[in-house]
Amino acid sequence: DGGITQSPKYLFRKEGQNVTLSCEQNLNHDAMYWYRQDPGQGLRLIYYSQIVNDFQKGDIAEGYSVSREKKESFPLTVTSAQKNPTAFYLCASSIDLAGGYEQYFGPGTRLTVT
Amino acid sequence: GQNIDQPTEMTATEGAIVQINCTYQTSGFNGLFWYQQHAGEAPTFLSYNVLDGLEEKGRFSSFLSRSKGYSYLLLKELQMKDSASYLCAVSLGGGNKLTFGTGTQLKVEL
Repeated sequence: DGGITQSPKYLFRKEGQNVTLSCEQNLNHDAMYWYRQDPGQGLRLIYYSQIVNDFQKGDIAEGYSVSREKKESFPLTVTSAQKNPTAFYLCASSIDLAGGYEQYFGPGTRLTVT
Repeated sequence: GQNIDQPTEMTATEGAIVQINCTYQTSGFNGLFWYQQHAGEAPTFLSYNVLDGLEEKGRFSSFLSRSKGYSYLLLKELQMKDSASYLCAVSLGGGNKLTFGTGTQLKVEL
């Protein structure tokens, strides 16, 4: 079955540590995205990528980094510079970056930093 | 601006019809999506509107008026499993970057 996987579902880290969230898709989609979701707020775009080895900052990229070495994979690193990292992180993909294509979401990773 | 407004909460009765509104003030509008999200789960695609009018898909319909910056999602024959958050998202410019509203939490009661 085609889809998007994110692991782990729950992640706990101590303040000051970097942490990497994985996102893998086997839908053969070119575009991939990372969002964070906080209670009472809509999804906010962190980074997106249109193609391998290319990615762009979204609306709230500070304190995050990404890589896109393979079409299937788009890992997100939450660095110690991110002031408020505790959130629900969602990865998504779409056929490409052109408008009108639905984005498919992974199951999400809930990160708690204490 | 990129304000997207939708009601925070709504309550409806099983078997009834409910309309969830979404208004947006955004430049470079390229289309509007509706997603359903159950608590703690991933959003799932419901509908996409790029032209004015009504798109019907089973129990769910979505309407768009570009001139008014307005959309609504209509859910008919409500079921308990429809209790979820409904997210309105606008596609901007020439790409597929989405700006999401805060979501409408719908509670379906007996």
